[in-house]
Amino acid sequence: QLMESGGGLVKPGGSLRLSCEVSGFTFSDYYMAWIRQAPGKGLEWLSYISLGGGNTQYADSLKGRITISRVNANNTLFLQMSRLRADDSAVYYCARGRDVSWFDIWGPGTPVTVSS
Amino acid sequence: SSVLAQPPSVSVAPGKTATITCGRENIGREHVHWYQQRPGQAPVLVLFSDSDRPSGIPERFSGSNSGNTATLTISRVEAGDEADYYCQVWHSTNDPVIFGGGTRLTVL
Repeated sequence: QLMESGGGLVKPGGSLRLSCEVSGFTFSDYYMAWIRQAPGKGLEWLSYISLGGGNTQYADSLKGRITISRVNANNTLFLQMSRLRADDSAVYYCARGRDVSWFDIWGPGTPVTVSS
Repeated sequence: SSVLAQPPSVSVAPGKTATITCGRENIGREHVHWYQQRPGQAPVLVLFSDSDRPSGIPERFSGSNSGNTATLTISRVEAGDEADYYCQVWHSTNDPVIFGGGTRLTVL
């Protein structure tokens, strides 16, 4: 029901735009979020966006380098990342938010590798 | 504190009960959610709001939250329960979503 895409190999300092296509539920009824997991590490929340896209929030550690957005008409969530560093290498998951509290559906993730 | 403290690992024999804790000052005042992540897979929500189970999650999974500790309890542990487990809270600060560091559950 959630499918990320757009990951891959990118050079340090580069940019990447991740997408998350949603199916099986009314996309515009839910908060959405991006969460990542570096190799061998735990989960790290990155950002969330409200139903209509008017309210967004970002992890302090990435503020200024990422932008979350959504196109409800296309059932798609995006994450624009810039000035990428080696420690941004991770699997990036999109997830459906519930009650502005938990995440009940996750995509399979898309891997991002930042390396020269 | 913005940290959710979990033990790195817990081991349990099949058929026994596993207990995984998640600690933070006054966590009992917040709603805690738990995720299971099997190797190579995406996380799956197993408990929300301390003790509620999503549809499809066995009754063997239960939770509690009081004081400074939230607990995920897995009864009659099976080999398929072997996974990493993460706790998570959402609170009203600049960094609203916090995950615990994760606990690797090993079924002996």
